[in-house]
Amino acid sequence: EVRLVDSGGGLVQPGGSLRLSCAASGFTFRSYAMSWVRQAPGKGLEWVSGISSSGGTTYYPESVKGRFSISRDNSKNTLYLQMNSLRAEDTALYYCAKLRAAVTSLFDYWGQGTLVTVSS
Amino acid sequence: DIQMTQSPSSLSASVGDRVTITCQASQDISKYLNWYQQKPGKAPKLLIYDASNLETGVPSRFSGSGSGTDFTFTISSLQPEDIGTYYCQQYENLPLTFGGGTKVEIK
Repeated sequence: EVRLVDSGGGLVQPGGSLRLSCAASGFTFRSYAMSWVRQAPGKGLEWVSGISSSGGTTYYPESVKGRFSISRDNSKNTLYLQMNSLRAEDTALYYCAKLRAAVTSLFDYWGQGTLVTVSS
Repeated sequence: DIQMTQSPSSLSASVGDRVTITCQASQDISKYLNWYQQKPGKAPKLLIYDASNLETGVPSRFSGSGSGTDFTFTISSLQPEDIGTYYCQQYENLPLTFGGGTKVEIK
Protein backbone atom coordinates (compact mmCIF):
# COMPACT_ATOMS: atom_id res chain seq x y z
CA GLU A 1 0.00 0.00 0.00
CA VAL A 2 1.34 3.42 -0.98
CA ARG A 3 1.74 5.69 2.01
CA LEU A 4 2.94 9.29 2.20
CA VAL A 5 3.33 10.88 5.64
CA ASP A 6 3.86 14.63 5.71
CA SER A 7 5.47 16.37 8.68
CA GLY A 8 7.35 19.48 9.74
CA GLY A 9 4.64 22.11 9.63
CA GLY A 10 4.11 24.69 12.33
CA LEU A 11 3.90 28.36 13.23
CA VAL A 12 6.68 30.57 11.87
CA GLN A 13 7.19 34.32 11.77
CA PRO A 14 7.25 36.24 8.49
CA GLY A 15 10.71 36.02 6.98
CA GLY A 16 11.40 32.75 8.76
CA SER A 17 12.21 29.29 7.45
CA LEU A 18 10.75 25.82 7.76
CA ARG A 19 11.57 22.40 6.32
CA LEU A 20 8.83 19.94 5.49
CA SER A 21 9.37 16.20 5.12
CA CYS A 22 7.41 13.44 3.44
CA ALA A 23 8.16 9.82 4.31
CA ALA A 24 7.20 7.45 1.50
CA SER A 25 6.53 3.73 1.60
CA GLY A 26 4.77 1.03 -0.40
CA PHE A 27 6.37 1.83 -3.77
CA THR A 28 9.81 2.20 -5.34
CA PHE A 29 10.40 5.81 -4.32
CA ARG A 30 13.48 6.34 -6.47
CA SER A 31 11.49 5.55 -9.64
CA TYR A 32 8.93 8.36 -9.42
CA ALA A 33 8.86 12.12 -9.66
CA MET A 34 7.34 13.85 -6.64
CA SER A 35 5.70 17.18 -5.89
CA TRP A 36 4.39 19.48 -3.19
CA VAL A 37 0.93 21.01 -3.53
CA ARG A 38 -0.56 23.50 -1.09
CA GLN A 39 -4.01 24.64 -0.13
CA ALA A 40 -4.60 27.92 1.68
CA PRO A 41 -7.43 27.85 4.25
CA GLY A 42 -10.76 27.63 2.42
CA LYS A 43 -9.06 27.94 -0.98
CA GLY A 44 -8.13 25.76 -3.94
CA LEU A 45 -5.05 23.73 -4.82
CA GLU A 46 -1.74 25.25 -5.90
CA TRP A 47 1.28 23.29 -7.17
CA VAL A 48 4.45 24.63 -5.53
CA SER A 49 7.29 22.35 -6.63
CA GLY A 50 8.29 19.20 -8.47
CA ILE A 51 11.38 17.01 -8.60
CA SER A 52 12.48 14.28 -10.98
CA SER A 53 12.95 10.71 -9.81
CA SER A 54 16.72 11.10 -9.56
CA GLY A 55 16.50 14.49 -7.92
CA GLY A 56 18.55 16.02 -10.68
CA THR A 57 15.84 18.37 -11.97
CA THR A 58 13.55 20.61 -9.97
CA TYR A 59 10.64 22.83 -10.97
CA TYR A 60 8.84 25.75 -9.31
CA PRO A 61 6.11 28.26 -10.13
CA GLU A 62 7.05 31.93 -10.03
CA SER A 63 5.21 32.41 -6.73
CA VAL A 64 7.86 30.45 -4.78
CA LYS A 65 10.90 30.41 -7.08
CA GLY A 66 14.02 31.52 -5.22
CA ARG A 67 12.41 30.97 -1.81
CA PHE A 68 11.45 27.28 -1.82
CA SER A 69 13.73 24.33 -2.55
CA ILE A 70 12.56 20.76 -3.12
CA SER A 71 14.92 17.85 -2.60
CA ARG A 72 14.84 14.12 -1.98
CA ASP A 73 16.90 11.40 -0.36
CA ASN A 74 16.23 8.21 -2.28
CA SER A 75 18.20 6.17 0.27
CA LYS A 76 15.74 7.27 2.97
CA ASN A 77 12.59 7.33 0.80
CA THR A 78 12.01 10.90 1.90
CA LEU A 79 11.00 14.09 0.12
CA TYR A 80 11.74 17.55 1.50
CA LEU A 81 10.62 21.13 1.00
CA GLN A 82 12.86 23.87 2.37
CA MET A 83 10.88 27.09 2.66
CA ASN A 84 12.71 30.38 3.26
CA SER A 85 11.63 34.01 3.43
CA LEU A 86 8.13 32.91 4.34
CA ARG A 87 5.23 35.27 3.86
CA ALA A 88 1.71 35.40 5.28
CA GLU A 89 0.39 34.22 1.90
CA ASP A 90 2.39 30.99 2.26
CA THR A 91 0.03 29.94 5.06
CA ALA A 92 -1.52 26.69 3.86
CA LEU A 93 -1.84 22.95 4.24
CA TYR A 94 1.07 21.44 2.33
CA TYR A 95 0.60 18.06 0.67
CA CYS A 96 3.30 15.77 -0.64
CA ALA A 97 2.11 14.02 -3.81
CA LYS A 98 3.45 11.18 -5.90
CA LEU A 99 3.43 11.65 -9.65
CA ARG A 100 2.50 8.78 -11.94
CA ALA A 101 5.36 9.47 -14.30
CA ALA A 102 7.30 12.66 -14.99
CA VAL A 103 6.70 15.96 -13.20
CA THR A 104 4.27 16.88 -15.99
CA SER A 105 1.73 14.18 -15.20
CA LEU A 106 -0.90 13.37 -12.63
CA PHE A 107 -0.90 13.07 -8.85
CA ASP A 108 -1.92 9.52 -8.01
CA TYR A 109 -1.25 9.50 -4.27
CA TRP A 110 -1.28 12.25 -1.66
CA GLY A 111 -0.08 12.64 1.91
CA GLN A 112 -2.38 13.80 4.67
CA GLY A 113 -0.91 17.30 4.64
CA THR A 114 1.05 19.38 7.15
CA LEU A 115 -0.12 22.85 8.18
CA VAL A 116 2.18 25.84 7.83
CA THR A 117 1.10 29.09 9.49
CA VAL A 118 3.09 32.25 8.85
CA SER A 119 2.20 34.89 11.40
CA SER A 120 3.80 37.23 13.91
CA ASP B 1 0.69 29.96 -17.36
CA ILE B 2 -2.36 27.96 -18.44
CA GLN B 3 -5.49 29.15 -16.62
CA MET B 4 -8.16 26.60 -15.79
CA THR B 5 -11.70 27.93 -15.38
CA GLN B 6 -14.20 25.66 -13.69
CA SER B 7 -17.95 26.12 -13.50
CA PRO B 8 -20.08 26.23 -11.57
CA SER B 9 -18.19 27.08 -8.37
CA SER B 10 -20.86 25.26 -6.39
CA LEU B 11 -23.98 23.22 -6.97
CA SER B 12 -26.69 21.51 -5.00
CA ALA B 13 -28.42 18.44 -6.42
CA SER B 14 -30.60 15.59 -5.25
CA VAL B 15 -29.51 12.00 -4.80
CA GLY B 16 -29.81 10.27 -8.15
CA ASP B 17 -29.39 13.44 -10.19
CA ARG B 18 -26.97 13.77 -13.06
CA VAL B 19 -24.29 16.34 -12.24
CA THR B 20 -22.06 18.05 -14.78
CA ILE B 21 -19.01 20.24 -14.18
CA THR B 22 -17.08 22.02 -16.91
CA CYS B 23 -13.44 23.04 -17.09
CA GLN B 24 -12.02 25.37 -19.72
CA ALA B 25 -8.33 25.81 -20.41
CA SER B 26 -6.87 29.12 -21.57
CA GLN B 27 -5.02 27.29 -24.37
CA ASP B 28 -5.03 23.91 -26.07
CA ILE B 29 -4.01 21.19 -23.59
CA SER B 30 -4.91 18.22 -25.81
CA LYS B 31 -6.11 15.45 -23.47
CA TYR B 32 -3.80 16.35 -20.55
CA LEU B 33 -6.54 16.96 -18.02
CA ASN B 34 -7.24 15.20 -14.73
CA TRP B 35 -10.13 15.35 -12.24
CA TYR B 36 -9.83 15.03 -8.46
CA GLN B 37 -12.33 14.72 -5.64
CA GLN B 38 -11.59 16.26 -2.25
CA LYS B 39 -13.85 15.30 0.62
CA PRO B 40 -14.00 17.64 3.64
CA GLY B 41 -10.85 17.39 5.74
CA LYS B 42 -9.18 14.92 3.37
CA ALA B 43 -6.49 14.97 0.69
CA PRO B 44 -7.58 15.04 -2.96
CA LYS B 45 -8.19 11.74 -4.74
CA LEU B 46 -7.64 11.08 -8.45
CA LEU B 47 -10.83 10.10 -10.28
CA ILE B 48 -10.23 10.67 -14.01
CA TYR B 49 -6.95 11.02 -15.91
CA ASP B 50 -6.19 12.01 -19.49
CA ALA B 51 -9.64 13.59 -19.77
CA SER B 52 -11.66 10.40 -19.95
CA ASN B 53 -9.88 7.48 -18.26
CA LEU B 54 -11.38 6.18 -15.03
CA GLU B 55 -8.80 5.57 -12.32
CA THR B 56 -8.73 2.00 -10.99
CA GLY B 57 -11.25 1.46 -8.22
CA VAL B 58 -13.31 4.55 -8.97
CA PRO B 59 -17.06 3.93 -9.43
CA SER B 60 -18.31 3.96 -13.01
CA ARG B 61 -20.86 6.71 -12.27
CA PHE B 62 -17.94 9.12 -12.68
CA SER B 63 -16.86 10.01 -16.21
CA GLY B 64 -14.98 12.65 -18.15
CA SER B 65 -14.83 13.88 -21.72
CA GLY B 66 -13.32 16.59 -23.88
CA SER B 67 -10.09 17.64 -25.50
CA GLY B 68 -8.33 20.83 -26.51
CA THR B 69 -9.75 23.57 -24.30
CA ASP B 70 -13.15 22.29 -23.18
CA PHE B 71 -13.73 19.44 -20.77
CA THR B 72 -16.67 17.96 -18.89
CA PHE B 73 -16.89 15.87 -15.73
CA THR B 74 -20.10 13.97 -15.00
CA ILE B 75 -21.59 12.07 -12.09
CA SER B 76 -24.36 10.01 -13.68
CA SER B 77 -26.30 9.42 -10.47
CA LEU B 78 -25.27 11.52 -7.47
CA GLN B 79 -24.75 9.58 -4.23
CA PRO B 80 -24.52 10.96 -0.66
CA GLU B 81 -20.84 9.97 -0.46
CA ASP B 82 -20.04 12.16 -3.49
CA ILE B 83 -20.24 15.41 -1.51
CA GLY B 84 -17.02 17.37 -1.66
CA THR B 85 -15.08 19.64 -3.97
CA TYR B 86 -13.97 18.61 -7.45
CA TYR B 87 -10.92 20.04 -9.20
CA CYS B 88 -9.61 19.81 -12.73
CA GLN B 89 -5.83 19.94 -13.33
CA GLN B 90 -3.81 20.36 -16.51
CA TYR B 91 -0.39 18.88 -17.14
CA GLU B 92 0.25 19.94 -20.71
CA ASN B 93 2.73 22.49 -19.44
CA LEU B 94 4.44 23.74 -16.30
CA PRO B 95 3.41 25.20 -13.96
CA LEU B 96 0.83 22.52 -13.26
CA THR B 97 -2.42 24.36 -12.63
CA PHE B 98 -5.79 23.55 -11.12
CA GLY B 99 -9.27 24.87 -11.66
CA GLY B 100 -10.84 26.83 -8.83
CA GLY B 101 -12.97 23.89 -7.72
CA THR B 102 -16.66 22.98 -7.71
CA LYS B 103 -18.30 22.30 -4.37
CA VAL B 104 -21.00 19.63 -4.66
CA GLU B 105 -23.72 19.42 -2.02
CA ILE B 106 -26.82 17.30 -1.59
CA LYS B 107 -30.13 19.13 -1.81
